[in-house]
Amino acid sequence: QKEVEQDPGPLSVPEGAIVSLNCTYSNSAFQYFMWYRQYSRKGPELLMYTYSSGNKEDGRFTAQVDKSSKYISLFIRDSQPSDSATYLCAIGHAGGTSYGKLTFGQGTILTVHP
Amino acid sequence: DVKVTQSSRYLVKRTGEKVFLECVQDMDHENMFWYRQDPGLGLRLIYFSYDVKMKEKGDIPEGYSVSREKKERFSLILESASTNQTSMYLCASFDTEKLFFGSGTQLSVL
Repeated sequence: QKEVEQDPGPLSVPEGAIVSLNCTYSNSAFQYFMWYRQYSRKGPELLMYTYSSGNKEDGRFTAQVDKSSKYISLFIRDSQPSDSATYLCAIGHAGGTSYGKLTFGQGTILTVHP
Repeated sequence: DVKVTQSSRYLVKRTGEKVFLECVQDMDHENMFWYRQDPGLGLRLIYFSYDVKMKEKGDIPEGYSVSREKKERFSLILESASTNQTSMYLCASFDTEKLFFGSGTQLSVL
């Protein structure tokens, strides 16, 4: 079993839709949770990160973590064509020399069409 | 803004060649990483370094080595390139919960 599993998609939605992206993980020792966005022919860029269970909002984006179920989600409200990208969940351990050593999901390709 | 620069955007090499991929960061970060990205497999960690001359294997180190002689520079070396090393290679540096990625090098081994 992979440490992090991500719904592979691809997803195609109309502009204005609510998008839900999901990952599950197997190792309860993971301590922080991230979502990256990657545009075509670019490196991934950090969208959001959190340490705790619950919701964290940033504009149209909400990251949700449920540590008891080992489940993380990213919601995008009022999706725009500019949101079209690959979204990657990433999970890691805090502290020590492995700090920053993230485990990534496979990525979900999202297309938002006008 | 943090800048992570990878020396080449596209590379084409022959099997058996020794290949060097260079990465430079401008923020004095201690931790640096090399990932490869393949369709359907996501990002997989090849090697990382948490200090000058210090390195640790990631999940898929076979066929690769690294060098970190200066804090800002982290090099990935393919000792004898093979066709299964055709991939997108991403370098990253890390600071306070955030990984900062370069734009990637698309390597084709023919």
